[in-house]
Amino acid sequence: RKEVEQDPGPFNVPEGATVAFNCTYSNSASQSFFWYRQDCRKEPKLLMSVYSSGNEDGRFTAQLNRASQYISLLIRDSKLSDSATYLCVVAGSSASKIIFGSGTRLSIRP
Amino acid sequence: EPEVTQTPSHQVTQMGQEVILRCVPISNHLYFYWYRQILGQKVEFLVSFYNNEISEKSEIFDDQFSVERPDGSNFTLKIRSTKLEDSAMYFCASSETLGTQPQHFGDGTRLSIL
Repeated sequence: RKEVEQDPGPFNVPEGATVAFNCTYSNSASQSFFWYRQDCRKEPKLLMSVYSSGNEDGRFTAQLNRASQYISLLIRDSKLSDSATYLCVVAGSSASKIIFGSGTRLSIRP
Repeated sequence: EPEVTQTPSHQVTQMGQEVILRCVPISNHLYFYWYRQILGQKVEFLVSFYNNEISEKSEIFDDQFSVERPDGSNFTLKIRSTKLEDSAMYFCASSETLGTQPQHFGDGTRLSIL
């Protein structure tokens, strides 16, 4: 099983749609969880940390299910500027390294 | 907003040559990292560095690689004898603390080995 697994997509949705991404991780000792976004040929940029109780930042909602080792990201009222690859990131059992998923590509059409 | 800066933005090198990639982490950050991303693939951890020594390294980070913090601001990645498969985007990152805090990435150095 991959350490961090994501649906590669691509997801192609109209502007204004709601879209959800899922991610699973294999190491039950993982401590910290993040969603990053990466635009083509650019660096990963932090979108949001994921907390055990779930958290929201504007149109973005992240959820963590430790029992199922599952993380999700929900984007509401999607904008053209949301087009990017979304990376699920998990801090490994030794917290000095973080493990990236392969990313889910999202394309928002007008 | 403070940022991680990397130089050069693009490095083209002949196979077998040494290359040094440079990074200036955010000034109050204590933990530094190098990652690489081969075109079309995922971001891969190479090494983490704290208190002037390597904290952890991946299998990719073999004897051809080394890191250094030569002064109070720079953090470098050296590849001693480059191979074609070293061609990738190399990202430097830094964080205030370990693990629970997110890492801030530089905009990368594209390394092309000919």
